[in-house]
Amino acid sequence: KAGVTQTPRYLIKTRGQQVTLSCSPISGHRSVSWYQQTPGQGLQFLFEYFSETQRNKGNFPGRFSGRQFSNSRSEMNVSTLELGDSALYLCASSSGLGLSYNEQFFGPGTRLTVL
Amino acid sequence: GDSVTQMEGPVTLSEEAFLTINCTYTATGYPSLFWYVQYPGEGLQLLLKATKADDKGSNKGFEATYRKETTSFHLEKGSVQVSDSAVYFCALSPAGDDKIIFGKGTRLHILP
Repeated sequence: KAGVTQTPRYLIKTRGQQVTLSCSPISGHRSVSWYQQTPGQGLQFLFEYFSETQRNKGNFPGRFSGRQFSNSRSEMNVSTLELGDSALYLCASSSGLGLSYNEQFFGPGTRLTVL
Repeated sequence: GDSVTQMEGPVTLSEEAFLTINCTYTATGYPSLFWYVQYPGEGLQLLLKATKADDKGSNKGFEATYRKETTSFHLEKGSVQVSDSAVYFCALSPAGDDKIIFGKGTRLHILP
């Protein structure tokens, strides 16, 4: 079974641009979550989608948005990029709701560099 | 709000040494607790978990016990190997929630 895939793996943008990252969950998984990983703040929760609906959102500005498609693939978008948005963006999928019973599997991440 | 605090690294040990990485948490109710590991150049992998008080999670020789009275979930391994070198994250998922709150991570170096 293929794991969680994220594209692109590396991305370089300049301040003010926007970017779209893609995540394909494990086949059959309906829940997708996004996290931002930086050296200073560590791993922070961005948002979670289940069956095309956003269920949960972290404390990030409105420049960060996401969506999920009917095939469970998810995209996140960051508009008006700032230098501080440089980070590793991780996507994770799970088969259902409730992390007590359903493991989240993480992708390798997209490394975004903002110049 | 809910949070996780874990010991700062890096932690450097010799092969076959005993490992403890401390982790404490703040949360309401009964969260689920996790340890994740991130090997160089790879994504996060779930190492072990515990979903209720006094549960012990174990995997690959690592163990951690959910201690409600001390709000702790310390990671231990009796004899570490060079291949255990990685970054270890303690994390929690609040009761009834599907997000994960991570600690800052502890980098572990094992010397041969």
